[in-house]
Amino acid sequence: KAGVTQTPRYLIKTRGQQVTLSCSPISGHRSVSWYQQTPGQGLQFLFEYFSETQRNKGNFPGRFSGRQFSNSRSEMNVSTLELGDSALYLCASSLGDRGQSDTQYFGPGTRLTVL
Amino acid sequence: AQKITQTQPGMFVQEKEAVTLDCTYDTSDPSYGLFWYKQPSSGEMIFLIYQGSYDQQNATEGRYSLNFQKARKSANLVISASQLGDSAMYFCAMREGYSGSARQLTFGSGTQLTVLP
Repeated sequence: KAGVTQTPRYLIKTRGQQVTLSCSPISGHRSVSWYQQTPGQGLQFLFEYFSETQRNKGNFPGRFSGRQFSNSRSEMNVSTLELGDSALYLCASSLGDRGQSDTQYFGPGTRLTVL
Repeated sequence: AQKITQTQPGMFVQEKEAVTLDCTYDTSDPSYGLFWYKQPSSGEMIFLIYQGSYDQQNATEGRYSLNFQKARKSANLVISASQLGDSAMYFCAMREGYSGSARQLTFGSGTQLTVLP
């Protein structure tokens, strides 16, 4: 079974631009979660989508948004980029209906650099 | 307060020896799950092992085992017979409760493990 894929792997943008990151989950997984990883803040939860609905949201500004399509693929958008948005963005997929034992499997990440 | 604490920023171990990576957690929820992930320098997070709060036995997966001490709120990862390929950052994570609002994983700050030849 193919793992979680994320595109693009690397991205360089300038301040004020917007960016869209894509995530394709493992086949059969209906939940997609996004995390931001930075050296200073570590791994922080952005949001989770399940069956095309945002089910949970972390403490990030409204510039960060996402969506999920009917095939469970998900996109994350960041508008008006700031230097502090430079990070590794990780997408994780899971079945989504297994409660606390629902294991998340991560993709390789998209490394975003904002200049 | 930190929900997940990993007190060892860096650890060194000799190849073929065992190593324990520490993780303590803080929750008042009786139902929770604990996960360990490995992150090589390539960046991808690799799932290693899971322990549920109601599990009676410590979890094991190949060379990985979890030393779960519920009363002490610790979930230490034990890697037996270390290999050079085990060199990576290791994260402990927790998911509290069963409700949808508590579904995200909360991660610790990680431990950088280096296996020496």
